[in-house]
Amino acid sequence: EAGVTQFPSHSVIEKGQTVTLRCDPISGHDNLYWYRRVMGKEIKFLLHFVKESKQDESGMPNNRFLAERTGGTYSTLKVQPAELEDSGVYFCASSPDRFGNTIYFGEGSWLTVV
Amino acid sequence: AQSVTQLGSHVSVSEGALVLLRCNYSSSVPPYLFWYVQYPNQGLQLLLKYTTGATLVKGINGFEAEFKKSETSFHLTKPSAHMSDAAEYFCAVSGPLKNQGGKLIFGQGTELSVKP
Repeated sequence: EAGVTQFPSHSVIEKGQTVTLRCDPISGHDNLYWYRRVMGKEIKFLLHFVKESKQDESGMPNNRFLAERTGGTYSTLKVQPAELEDSGVYFCASSPDRFGNTIYFGEGSWLTVV
Repeated sequence: AQSVTQLGSHVSVSEGALVLLRCNYSSSVPPYLFWYVQYPNQGLQLLLKYTTGATLVKGINGFEAEFKKSETSFHLTKPSAHMSDAAEYFCAVSGPLKNQGGKLIFGQGTELSVKP
């Protein structure tokens, strides 16, 4: 069974450009989460999808970040325009339930904004 | 609000020595607790978790952790360190509501170095 996959694994963009990160959860997992770790800080929750609906987006830092999950399958996280402080690693995770018993993380998308 | 504190951002041990990584949490409700590991240039891998039941939890690669409610702690241990254990370790607690189990609050991470 395939795990959580993320693309791209690494991305270097200039300040002001747009980047779109993609996450494919484990098949059948309705719950999908985005997290990020910016340099020197702890890993922080960004948002939670249940199927195609945003259950909790309390961690989204500002309106430059847009997450979507079309059809309740894969998800994208767009940063537009990117700022230097957005550099870090963006993790996606999925789970078959909302109770936290089993949460699987992807390998992360490493974003560098220069 | 929930929070997780990992004591020591860097821990260094000798190969074969005991590994002890400390984690304290604050939570208003009985939490789910997790330890994750991130090896260099890799993603997060679940080491072990506590949900309910036995408070001593065994995980992969010889690691274990004990949930101590009275001390609000969930320290990670391994009797004998191996060079391959060098990585960054994260303690996490789940969200306060039952349907927020996947909303994890992480500690700041502890970088473990293993000396030959």
